[in-house]
Amino acid sequence: DARVTQTPRHKVTEMGQEVTMRCQPILGHNTVFWYRQTMMQGLELLAYFRNRAPLDDSGMPKDRFSAEMPDATLATLKIQPSEPRDSAVYFCASARGGLDAYEQFFGPGTRLTVL
Amino acid sequence: AQSVTQLDSQVPVFEEAPVELRCNYSSSVSVYLFWYVQYPNQGLQLLLKYLSGSTLVKGINGFEAEFNKSQTSFHLRKPSVHISDTAEYFCAVRNPSNFGNEKLTFGTGTRLTIIP
Repeated sequence: DARVTQTPRHKVTEMGQEVTMRCQPILGHNTVFWYRQTMMQGLELLAYFRNRAPLDDSGMPKDRFSAEMPDATLATLKIQPSEPRDSAVYFCASARGGLDAYEQFFGPGTRLTVL
Repeated sequence: AQSVTQLDSQVPVFEEAPVELRCNYSSSVSVYLFWYVQYPNQGLQLLLKYLSGSTLVKGINGFEAEFNKSQTSFHLRKPSVHISDTAEYFCAVRNPSNFGNEKLTFGTGTRLTIIP
């Protein structure tokens, strides 16, 4: 049963601390998306990668957020330093990529609370 | 640029009644259209999609949607809802010709609540 996995599922931290969220895409998927979901803003695309290279990170605050794919089986999203306004659910999604790859498969999310 | 409007933020419906969740999109080019469902404390999963061909598309769990190009709409319907359909539903659009940019633009979501 192929699924996108995300760790941790929940994270509570204090303002100013570094936060790292991890995502394992479905094996064989070469496109990875990071989304943030809040009540106020809804679902926002932060960044996405194809074959480990960033294609679009225009939705991501560059001063404190960074996204990488160290290898094909791991994507990371880091926030340093974290702020209370970063509290949200962060989703990773993966896809086969390409014009005929229509479906994004979402992970269960990481619920981040910054105090 | 593309955009998606989901007019109803919350829709309460009695069990076994029909439901329609509305979605309108704006795009200067042809589009692919999607409905995703998010159950409580879970990620999103694809319900159905329209790529081309028949304007009536059927998805999982008895849902269907109709693409109406003249009205730029893609409303989601189910003839008889069940308690388990309680969830948030997101409409999304993508530009099919924009190779290398498979971004989805999501609507703000409609929370469907089924009343026993």
